[in-house]
Amino acid sequence: QSALTQPRSVSGSPGQSVTISCTGTSSDVGGYNYVSWYQQHPGKAPKLMIFDVTKRPSGVPDRFSGSKSGNTPSLTISGLQAEDEADYYCCSYAGSHTFVVFGGGTKLTVL
Amino acid sequence: EVQLLESGGGLVQPGGSLRLSCAASGFTFRNYAMSWVRQAPGKGLEWVSGISGSAASAYYADPVKGRFTVSRDNSKNTLFLEMKSLGAEDTAVYYCSKGCGVDCYTRFDPWGQGTLVTVSS
Repeated sequence: QSALTQPRSVSGSPGQSVTISCTGTSSDVGGYNYVSWYQQHPGKAPKLMIFDVTKRPSGVPDRFSGSKSGNTPSLTISGLQAEDEADYYCCSYAGSHTFVVFGGGTKLTVL
Repeated sequence: EVQLLESGGGLVQPGGSLRLSCAASGFTFRNYAMSWVRQAPGKGLEWVSGISGSAASAYYADPVKGRFTVSRDNSKNTLFLEMKSLGAEDTAVYYCSKGCGVDCYTRFDPWGQGTLVTVSS
């Protein structure tokens, strides 16, 4: 069982928006603004999409945005495109003992 | 362009050992922490270990503490993961990834293509 809880799947039609939640605790996502999100296409390595809760690396479309409310960070993808279909993982720094935790992953299907 | 290339994976018997390598290029290797993250077949991502840029600090997830050792050779821009007492639960694709600073693990970017470790008799 993963430390962070994500829905197993979400779906949306092209052009729509979807939000993926990631629930943790005050010891990880709630205690630090160090949440990151990764996109992984089948058979490929993960790719950083969001870091420090809301920041986007260069080259990531602004259709991807991050936010956090309490112990629940979220990734929102607006203007869904076919190429957004992938698995998405949240990740958080969790202090000097546990260090880093990932969510179980969410499969995004573009209908 | 930052590139990470893992090697060393393969089939190993339960209780055996394996050493993974990750060759880095395109950035000043010693200035960045590095991590290993694994993914069991059909499963999610699991952080395994991290090491600071100077190699002064190393960190491990509980499931691998005492069995895995992370190290790096900054003269050769290479990261290593020595794995011992391997069990079926260690079967996974192992990715190396670059941290965000000399002792920073709050994001992983980029990732290598991964190397598959299969523990089976």
